[in-house]
Amino acid sequence: AQSVTQPDIHITVSEGASLELRCNYSYGATPYLFWYVQSPGQGLQLLLKYFSGDTLVQGIKGFEAEFKRSQSSFNLRKPSVHWSDAAEYFCAVDLNDYKLSFGAGTTVTVRA
Amino acid sequence: DGGITQSPKYLFRKEGQNVTLSCEQNLNHDAMYWYRQDPGQGLRLIYYSQIVNDFQKGDIAEGYSVSREKKESFPLTVTSAQKNPTAFYLCASSTKRTVYNEQFFGPGTRLTVL
Repeated sequence: AQSVTQPDIHITVSEGASLELRCNYSYGATPYLFWYVQSPGQGLQLLLKYFSGDTLVQGIKGFEAEFKRSQSSFNLRKPSVHWSDAAEYFCAVDLNDYKLSFGAGTTVTVRA
Repeated sequence: DGGITQSPKYLFRKEGQNVTLSCEQNLNHDAMYWYRQDPGQGLRLIYYSQIVNDFQKGDIAEGYSVSREKKESFPLTVTSAQKNPTAFYLCASSTKRTVYNEQFFGPGTRLTVL
């Protein structure tokens, strides 16, 4: 079965420090992968997507993600976190029809 | 501005009542979706519709119903048969699939059963 795992439920990071959120997927074919961000009580906003080509993809708000087929991973990174990055982050895989499968999410807390 | 609107933002329901959540999009998207979000469980697909007058059950359709009479509208009814309806509900839409399925989300409706 196709699935997405986000191993970290909650991460706390200091403002200005780097951030890495992990995502592992289980999918038989070439995956199309997404990272979304959700502020409290809001909808989801797309940060970035991978569907082919360069394995390092750039997104909005200074985020990037690296696709590693050998590790079945699509980890999200940001070099320097701002207080406004406190949110919940979801990794998702396109199931090659009209469905996306989402991970359980990682909540990021930013301390001053 | 194009986007997805959901109303109301907060909804309270007494046990045994049906309630309908609104979702409207002006992105001219063909496909629309309803998700349920509970803490620690990510998003779970309730129903989706690829075209007008057609829709399919998702992973947790029991106790819910939908209609798709217009391209821009995809209302969700939470029926009294849904045993635990208190949750955050998200509507999304996407264009007709080309390479991948990028979904755009509305702001959500928080439903609380009293």
